[in-house]
Amino acid sequence: AQTVTQSQPEMSVQEAETVTLSCTYDTSESDYYLFWYKQPPSRQMILVIRQEAYKQQNATENRFSVNFQKAAKSFSLKISDSQLGDAAMYFCAYYSGGSNYKLTFGKGTLLTVNP
Amino acid sequence: DGGITQSPKYLFRKEGQNVTLSCEQNLNHDAMYWYRQDPGQGLRLIYYSQIVNDFQKGDIAEGYSVSREKKESFPLTVTSAQKNPTAFYLCASSMGPGPLYEQYFGPGTRLTVT
Repeated sequence: AQTVTQSQPEMSVQEAETVTLSCTYDTSESDYYLFWYKQPPSRQMILVIRQEAYKQQNATENRFSVNFQKAAKSFSLKISDSQLGDAAMYFCAYYSGGSNYKLTFGKGTLLTVNP
Repeated sequence: DGGITQSPKYLFRKEGQNVTLSCEQNLNHDAMYWYRQDPGQGLRLIYYSQIVNDFQKGDIAEGYSVSREKKESFPLTVTSAQKNPTAFYLCASSMGPGPLYEQYFGPGTRLTVT
């Protein structure tokens, strides 16, 4: 079974600085997808960024980028120029490319942004 | 505005009672999902439905039931057989099943059973 591990329960960053959130996963599959979701205090989940395992190039969405290390099974999220609105719980998630249509989530990292 | 509606935001029930959580979407999505979130935990899949009149169990389906009679609706019933029903429940939908389609989430329902 796939597992997703986020080793940092909490992180903090100063406004305008850069922060990196860690995620590792365990799988025997070669075809899969990885995601970072944000859950602000409103508790509504929002997709931040996604990465297809077959793509070597790291995904980027504006201030958000990932460092995808397939051999190490690592998928970290970098937030540049942190803003107060980035404060949220961040979840790493894994999606099998097979017929098992489900997301497996990590336990989350609570990010605090200090003004 | 297109989106997913979950009602109510907070729900309270006595132990031993069944309770149904509502999830409605007007995004014309085929696939719908129910997740449970506990403190300090990630989301866990309860049930999912790829099309109308079809649904499959997720990782923690015991004590829950669903129906998918209409494309836009996917209600979740928490039965008295669910041992620890107090949790935050999130409904999601996507255009199709599988990782190529982004899952959009509703605002969630906080269920408290005493």
